[in-house]
Amino acid sequence: EVQLVESGGGLVQPGSSLKLSCVASGFTFSSYNMHWIRQAPKKGLEWIALIYYDSSNKYYADSVKGRFTISRDNSKNTLYLEMNSLRSEDTAMYYCAKWGLGAGYFDYWGQGVMVTVSS
Amino acid sequence: DIQMTQSPSFLSASLGNSITITCHASQNIKGWLAWYQQKSGNAPELLIYKASSLQSGVPSRFSGSGSGTDYILTISNLQPEDIATYYCQHYQSFPLTFGSGTKLEIK
Repeated sequence: EVQLVESGGGLVQPGSSLKLSCVASGFTFSSYNMHWIRQAPKKGLEWIALIYYDSSNKYYADSVKGRFTISRDNSKNTLYLEMNSLRSEDTAMYYCAKWGLGAGYFDYWGQGVMVTVSS
Repeated sequence: DIQMTQSPSFLSASLGNSITITCHASQNIKGWLAWYQQKSGNAPELLIYKASSLQSGVPSRFSGSGSGTDYILTISNLQPEDIATYYCQHYQSFPLTFGSGTKLEIK
């Protein structure tokens, strides 16, 4: 059974940093591209980052480019999202998601971790 | 960026009826479209990919169709467990973008 478990969220002040983790199990993590997607309270879904299975390519939404960094450690079956210069508009539930077979949809999602940016 | 326009935003329907949700892309996405269901307080779940392919384990009451810029999600024989918000998402190019969602209520 595929499982994705996020952690590392919390309440932080504007301008600060936070690093999210997503531990994967139930599939060969090192063979799949992985994504981060977020959802602001009572809002829709926003894709924010993708990393290839071997970390050879990374893509970001303009809203986070230059501030957020996606990375992975295949030896630990773990995906990361390092978030710097956090803003109030980064307040959201953050989901990690597995790349669907051969294409850019999301076939499995974690339960999400909440990040609140507020003074 | 490809914009995804989803309609309606809100939908109310009776048990046993069928409903359709539409998604219009701002350019040809060549069938690279997925649909998701998000129940209150939960993460989204994949229903449909490649416009019309049913994800494993999803009831056959759900179906997808469309091509080019226009796509449809149909739910037949509505059940109480279908209460959710539904999103479309294209994966033709980066950035990947979602529709704004359709909240489904059962009358």
